[in-house]
Amino acid sequence: KAGVTQTPRYLIKTRGQQVTLSCSPISGHRSVSWYQQTPGQGLQFLFEYFSETQRNKGNFPGRFSGRQFSNSRSEMNVSTLELGDSALYLCASSSGRGGGTDTQYFGPGTRLTVL
Amino acid sequence: SQQGEEDPQALSIQEGENATMNCSYKTSINNLQWYRQNSGRGLVHLILIRSNEREKHSGRLRVTLDTSKKSSSLLITASRAADTASYFCATDVGGNTPLVFGKGTRLSVIA
Repeated sequence: KAGVTQTPRYLIKTRGQQVTLSCSPISGHRSVSWYQQTPGQGLQFLFEYFSETQRNKGNFPGRFSGRQFSNSRSEMNVSTLELGDSALYLCASSSGRGGGTDTQYFGPGTRLTVL
Repeated sequence: SQQGEEDPQALSIQEGENATMNCSYKTSINNLQWYRQNSGRGLVHLILIRSNEREKHSGRLRVTLDTSKKSSSLLITASRAADTASYFCATDVGGNTPLVFGKGTRLSVIA
């Protein structure tokens, strides 16, 4: 099976712009989670989706949003970018209904740089 | 705040030596998982240990869990240069809440 894929791999944006990141989970996986990783804060949970429904949301401002499509692919959007949004954004999929019980399979990440 | 805290933050050893990393957490858990991340890449799942288990092995990896002390350790035996990576523990506290990751231990294995 193909692994989790994320596009694009690298992105450079300027403050105030918006960005959309895409994640395709492993075939058959219906749960997708998003994480933000920075050197200072480590891995911070953003959201989790299962069958197009958001099951969990982390403590991030409303500028961060996401969705999941019927084919389980997911997108996350960040509007009005700030310098502090520069990070590695990781997507993970799992075979269960989500939550911490499942093993997470991570994609390679999207490196976002905000100038 | 992070649920899991790894210790040490960084570890440097010679190839062939054993590496031990520790994870402490604050609340009761259903399971604890360890992940590895090579520089700037995605995380790879290593092992999951449930709260009713005390020890698990996978190849050169040995994980222990002490729920009374709210701590876990990851031992990598006979380390190799390819083991150089960051290692994270992640805890599941149940209730369909997401995994919570620690900040990781950065392991350097010198050939």
